[in-house]
Amino acid sequence: ELKVEQNPLFLSMQEGKNYTIYCNYSTTSDRLYWYRQDPGKSLESLFVLLSNGAVKQEGRLMASLDTKARLSTLHITAAVHDLSATYFCAVDHTASKLTFGTGTRLQVTL
Amino acid sequence: KAGVTQTPRYLIKTRGQQVTLSCSPISGHRSVSWYQQTPGQGLQFLFEYFSETQRNKGNFPGRFSGRQFSNSRSEMNVSTLELGDSALYLCASSLPTGVDSEQYFGPGTRLTVT
Repeated sequence: ELKVEQNPLFLSMQEGKNYTIYCNYSTTSDRLYWYRQDPGKSLESLFVLLSNGAVKQEGRLMASLDTKARLSTLHITAAVHDLSATYFCAVDHTASKLTFGTGTRLQVTL
Repeated sequence: KAGVTQTPRYLIKTRGQQVTLSCSPISGHRSVSWYQQTPGQGLQFLFEYFSETQRNKGNFPGRFSGRQFSNSRSEMNVSTLELGDSALYLCASSLPTGVDSEQYFGPGTRLTVT
C-alpha cells in the first residue's frame, strides 16, 4: 500500500524567511503533484512533477522530485503572508488515483 | 473553459438518510475521481470512473457508491448516513491517460450529518 508522508505538519514562519516542506512516498512513482488549499476551499494545483530530477518554480515556490529517493520538496523563498495555506503533495500510482500526504499547514506571520 | 462543477455546495442531512452528490467534469475529460476530506483522515480516494465504468475503488464501505453517465457527469451516493460521513467531498476530472492526465478539482460539496 502506498504511503505518503509530509513534514512538518505545521509550519509557522516569519515573512522573508525560507523553508522547505518534505514529501516522502513508499513505492515507485514517476508522477507527483503539489496542491494548495485555503480554508474551506478546494485544491489548487501548484506543480506537476513527471520525472526524476524535475524542478519547477512559480514565484516564491519551487518544487523538485527525486524518484530514486522517493522524495519531493517544496521550497518557499522569502515567505509572504499570502502564502499562508495548507499544502499537500500527492502521488499518482495508478491512473487517476491520488494518494495524498497529510498536508502541511503553513502560517506566515508579519 | 469551464472548470469542474459540483452540486450542491452544502448539504445537511440526518443520520440514516441517504444523499446524492453530482459532479460535472471539464469538457472533454472522461475520467472522474471522488475524494473525501475529513480533519481526522485527511484526503482519501473513494473511486474513479471512466467511460461509465468504475476503474478504481478506495477502501470505503459499500454504503458509498457512484456512477457515471454517457456525458461523463458523475454522481456519488451515500446510503444510511453516519456522523462520520460529515466531510468535504471533492471530485476531480482528467483526461484518461497520458502526460496531461492531471486531475482538476471542483469546489467540493460540504456534507454535514447530524
